[in-house]
Amino acid sequence: GQSLEQPSEVTAVEGAIVQINCTYQTSGFYGLSWYQQHDGGAPTFLSYNALDGLEETGRFSSFLSRSDSYGYLLLQELQMKDSASYFCAVGGGATNKLIFGTGTLLAVQP
Amino acid sequence: SAVISQKPSRDICQRGTSLTIQCQVDSQVTMMFWYRQQPGQSLTLIATANQGSEATYESGFVIDKFPISRPNLTFSTLTVSNMSPEDSSIYLCSAWGPAGIQETQYFGPGTRLLVL
Repeated sequence: GQSLEQPSEVTAVEGAIVQINCTYQTSGFYGLSWYQQHDGGAPTFLSYNALDGLEETGRFSSFLSRSDSYGYLLLQELQMKDSASYFCAVGGGATNKLIFGTGTLLAVQP
Repeated sequence: SAVISQKPSRDICQRGTSLTIQCQVDSQVTMMFWYRQQPGQSLTLIATANQGSEATYESGFVIDKFPISRPNLTFSTLTVSNMSPEDSSIYLCSAWGPAGIQETQYFGPGTRLLVL
């Protein structure tokens, strides 16, 4: 089967840096994506890693190590609006079908 | 980017009945998908909606329970059949390609279903 594990909850303060980890066991790996979902909202795309290394997009960065089946999302200069659920997902290829991780609820405190 | 709308946004249904959820994309897309999400939980892929042919279902989901149609490149429906309280969930439609970033999936706002 396929599984993606994430910490269930993370708490941090405004202005801090937080890292959300994702370990996966999948077949047919193409890449690792990250999505953000605010309470009651639709998931929105944050980043994608197909190759090993770090991808940076503004305050968000994502890292992938395919040999370790591991990735993480790094959020810098945390803001209150970053309080949300974050999901890693594996997918891509011809269909871009996504399998989502267990999700991490990030709470940013003043 | 693609903008996705879903109808209805929410519904309360009686057990044994069926509900059809509509998903409309504002541009032609390559792939469309249906997900289920229990409150506070992750997203579970139900099926890939294939244009002009039968949907491809994930393990644990069957066509008799979740019939899906995709008559064209911008529209799909998911029916939840013979509903039970266990079907209470959020149902999300998503779409991918050809415009925009290839790796990005765009999601609709979801349909919140409560079965009594």
